[in-house]
Amino acid sequence: QVQLVQSGAEVRKPGASVKISCKASGYTFSSYVIHWVRQAPGQRLEWMGWITADNANTRYSQSFQGRVTFTRDRSASTAYMELNSLRSEDTAVYYCTRGSFTTFGVVKYYFDFWGQGTLVAVSS
Amino acid sequence: QSALTQPPSASGSPGQSVTLSCTGTSSDVGGYNSVSWYQQHPGKAPKLMIFEVNKRPSGVPDRFSGSKSGNTASLTVSGLQAEDEADYYCSSYAGDKNLVFGGGTKLTVL
Repeated sequence: QVQLVQSGAEVRKPGASVKISCKASGYTFSSYVIHWVRQAPGQRLEWMGWITADNANTRYSQSFQGRVTFTRDRSASTAYMELNSLRSEDTAVYYCTRGSFTTFGVVKYYFDFWGQGTLVAVSS
Repeated sequence: QSALTQPPSASGSPGQSVTLSCTGTSSDVGGYNSVSWYQQHPGKAPKLMIFEVNKRPSGVPDRFSGSKSGNTASLTVSGLQAEDEADYYCSSYAGDKNLVFGGGTKLTVL
């Protein structure tokens, strides 16, 4: 069965960086896209962007451009999200999610499987 | 992009139907057939309920249906059950490789 298993909770001070992993299993990793979505406490979901698992093309939401980096290790079926210059407003649960492509190779924007979420707490 | 607009709360009694709305603009909801709905129980990851306006993933009960008219998308839950009580989020492709979510609706089963 398809599973996305994320790394554990992290605590960081303002200005620091955090890197979260997302290990995929139960499907062909390279055939799909990994999107990242976050949710601050009691707040709405917020899309951060995506990375294609095959060739590591990326697209970042303007809200995070310049502060976030997505990478992947195909041999380990694992995707990573690194967020820099953390501030208190970045305290949230971060999810990796699986997306797919159209028959023409265009990224689709819905997510059929989700990781369990990783809490990142930013506090001085 | 601005968030899509969802009413903060909705409710219904068991067995009833309830419709949740999601209002955007011609640049997102109205411009693309790429609206999705997610159900989220407290402390859990969201679950895909509807994609591409009105398609249900395998395993989602047919009590859940989606539609769209103009800049407003809707999720209808028929035959409400206690386990349907959750937060529901809509999302839409917003052009230029961007996605926007709604603020979420808390559905209460009375």
